[in-house]
Amino acid sequence: DVVMTQSPLSLAVTLGQPASISCRSSQSLVYADGNTYLNWFQQRPGQSPRRLIYKVSDRDSGVPDRFSGSVSGTVFTLKISRVEAEDVGVYYCMQGTHWPYTFGQGTKLEIK
Amino acid sequence: EVQLVESGGGLVQPGGSLRLSCAMSGFKSHDHAMHWIRQAPGKGLEWVSGIFWNSGVTGYADAVKGRFTVSRDNVNNFVFLQMNSLRVEDTALYYCGKDVAPGGLGVWGQGTTVTVSS
Repeated sequence: DVVMTQSPLSLAVTLGQPASISCRSSQSLVYADGNTYLNWFQQRPGQSPRRLIYKVSDRDSGVPDRFSGSVSGTVFTLKISRVEAEDVGVYYCMQGTHWPYTFGQGTKLEIK
Repeated sequence: EVQLVESGGGLVQPGGSLRLSCAMSGFKSHDHAMHWIRQAPGKGLEWVSGIFWNSGVTGYADAVKGRFTVSRDNVNNFVFLQMNSLRVEDTALYYCGKDVAPGGLGVWGQGTTVTVSS
């Protein structure tokens, strides 16, 4: 199975400041069709996960543009340009290239 | 509006069985795969099982292989998870999720709680 390793596991950020979460995959996530199925999810307290980013850097409908995704080799990054209070929660990366799908451990984002 | 609604969770003794259901509505297409993902109390997300809608091909996490069975009802747009030989460590909130495109889990339900305890 593909292992997804997230860091940091917790993050305290001042409102209006940027935040960055990394996710490393144990193997390539490039699928046979040329796409890389790396997703980022946000789970607010008491809510179901919500996908923010798919295929590394495509934002889902309704996701603010302060959220962005990128990749360098096998290290994927989710960046929040200016953290807002509503961004508090746990963020997960997930690869959907190989079955079984696998998630990172999650990164808890808090406001400092 | 697209929606996934899970049901069937509850309290069961170790060794018991439960059948979870996931009702899909509002989707124009039922291509791609449906999945079950679980979250133990205070823990992260764990993929449990998936089924390709068109082919019926299935997959399972090692932790549930041989005990859980995923299936679908193409006519009424349901996905099921039959869970047998339940263990205490299967206690979790079980989510149904849908790939609206390959590899994505773009839509999630609200979850149904399974508690395995004597």
